[in-house]
Amino acid sequence: EADIYQTPRYLVIGTGKKITLECSQTMGHDKMYWYQQDPGMELHLIHYSYGVNSTEKGDLSSESTVSRIRTEHFPLTLESARPSHTSQYLCASSTLDTEAFFGQGTRLTVV
Amino acid sequence: ILNVEQSPQSLHVQEGDSTNFTCSFPSSNFYALHWYRWETAKSPEALFVMTLNGDEKKKGRISATLNTKEGYSYLYIKGSQPEDSATYLCLYSSASKIIFGSGTRLSIRP
Repeated sequence: EADIYQTPRYLVIGTGKKITLECSQTMGHDKMYWYQQDPGMELHLIHYSYGVNSTEKGDLSSESTVSRIRTEHFPLTLESARPSHTSQYLCASSTLDTEAFFGQGTRLTVV
Repeated sequence: ILNVEQSPQSLHVQEGDSTNFTCSFPSSNFYALHWYRWETAKSPEALFVMTLNGDEKKKGRISATLNTKEGYSYLYIKGSQPEDSATYLCLYSSASKIIFGSGTRLSIRP
């Protein structure tokens, strides 16, 4: 059973608020990823990390930031949420280039 | 709570063999079912988007079927090759929700 968790599953928040989406995995994976999906659009990589203190931007530009202070945590932060940030965010982790474990996703709505 | 289940979670197949795996999803309020192929640090590759009950899509050696009434989709790979090794992710969407499966990790043995 996959041991990767995202919280919250659903979040409705007002414009201008700071929010952090949590992603945790208990498998000891070095590699972690954040993806974003807008309704009717494809899934896009926004951030990834290959280990502690390593973070990179993905192929879709995002105003969010990430941190990787511990192997098991890869939180995503929006300093000031806007309605354009309304989307679905998916976290994943892997140890091999062809195997990934996905979280259940966080649906963010900014009003 | 609505869930999308993929099975098996992991699969090891001999090169040249054909294989298939399943995505189960809620049959209510169905809008679309997506299949993605995931490999390394890039955006997942979109394989298929299916919306109609009975849909069958094909892309090379990979094909997929959809049954919205019973809530399942099969992904088939014919004559597996080492480059098919990847995680395959399905995604269910209704008018108001997107729910991801946890992926099937496929490994092809040469």
